[in-house]
Amino acid sequence: ETGVTQTPRHLVMGMTNKKSLKCEQHLGHNAMYWYKQSAKKPLELMFVYNFKEQTENNSVPSRFSPECPNSSHLFLHLHTLQPEDSALYLCASSQGIIAGVETGELFFGEGSRLTVL
Amino acid sequence: EDQVTQSPEALRLQEGESSSLNCSYTVSGLRGLFWYRQDPGKGPEFLFTLYSAGEEKEKERLKATLTKKESFLHITAPKPEDSATYLCAVQAEIQGAQKLVFGQGTRLTINP
Repeated sequence: ETGVTQTPRHLVMGMTNKKSLKCEQHLGHNAMYWYKQSAKKPLELMFVYNFKEQTENNSVPSRFSPECPNSSHLFLHLHTLQPEDSALYLCASSQGIIAGVETGELFFGEGSRLTVL
Repeated sequence: EDQVTQSPEALRLQEGESSSLNCSYTVSGLRGLFWYRQDPGKGPEFLFTLYSAGEEKEKERLKATLTKKESFLHITAPKPEDSATYLCAVQAEIQGAQKLVFGQGTRLTINP
């Protein structure tokens, strides 16, 4: 496989469920990202990992919990979500963040469409 | 306060009808401006990076240009397969940190 792969592509969950989104990149990149995309709103950065270390948590509620076991894999654990959390969740990777400067050349997966009932 | 604004929000063109999309920004200390294409139900796909005013990049029917306050994505003789949402993002120092900020996108439809 090549590029950035996200699973599942679609997920429907109740507010009391616990589920996880998975992302895997095959590009040899060092940084991975979670973005949230809601209708008619700009992409919102959620989390950034650089060389497996979390470098940014953009004031995301604790019901979203990221995990990055290595530079190729990224998870987003979901629990006790709200209906307003329904959105497209996009994973991306890049070459990395060097001297505090991140490249804007991101490679995105196809996203996981989440619906919270 | 909006830092990256794209216009128009949506644009419908006939096949072959050239036009331009706009991305204006209010950040200072721009490090780079990026254009992406996003097809429905898919993630954004990187198109171009522009670093300094006066720079231009081309790819097939697309040409991106950059000034000190805005960028244009020119589409020449578009085809229906150019239909997509086009996103721009700017990388700049915001509140003491390097940030990548996206605009809300322009949804382009090319009718055959």
